[in-house]
Amino acid sequence: KQEVTQIPAALSVPEGENLVLNCSFTDSAIYNLQWFRQDPGKGLTSLLLIQSSQREQTSGRLNASLDKSSGRSTLYIAASQPGDSATYLCAPRGTGNQFYFGTGTSLTVIP
Amino acid sequence: NAGVTQTPKFQVLKTGQSMTLQCAQDMNHEYMSWYRQDPGMGLRLIHYSVGAGITDQGEVPNGYNVSRSTTEDFPLRLLSAAPSQTSVYFCASSPLGGGIWDTGELFFGEGSRLTVL
Repeated sequence: KQEVTQIPAALSVPEGENLVLNCSFTDSAIYNLQWFRQDPGKGLTSLLLIQSSQREQTSGRLNASLDKSSGRSTLYIAASQPGDSATYLCAPRGTGNQFYFGTGTSLTVIP
Repeated sequence: NAGVTQTPKFQVLKTGQSMTLQCAQDMNHEYMSWYRQDPGMGLRLIHYSVGAGITDQGEVPNGYNVSRSTTEDFPLRLLSAAPSQTSVYFCASSPLGGGIWDTGELFFGEGSRLTVL
């Protein structure tokens, strides 16, 4: 069974700082990996999706990288803003159509 | 497109009552799934389906039933609610993947918050 670990579990940074969220997974046989954002009491919003053949994806201030062979993905957030405060989850998709979720990193950006 | 729609958003049940959480998607996705989210536990897969007439169990299926009679709908039934089923439930859908234009992206509904007294 795929195990997904996200470190750190919680992170608090001052506004404007660049930051990196980490995701590791135990089975490298994945189809893709998604990063999601979840605001308190809300659903999950997809941020970035990286296919297994790709190394990274960028959307605005967000950049996600994937090293499938080592079972790692990172989400880089540039110039953080208070509106970035949320929980961030990564989810590798197995080749058998199973999605696996980490418990997330809770980010607080302090104005 | 409405995406993934879940109803109801909130529900309070008494122990032993039954109910159905509804999920519908308008993206013609083959894959649909139900998760529950509990504090400190992350998202856990309850049941999933890869097409009409096909369902399978996830990590925590006990106490829940599903069916998939159409591509669009994937209801989750609680036959006899228990306090341990108090949780937030999410429905999600995705293409199966493998096509040229198909990224296999997973889309979530807004969630249904269930309290069992």
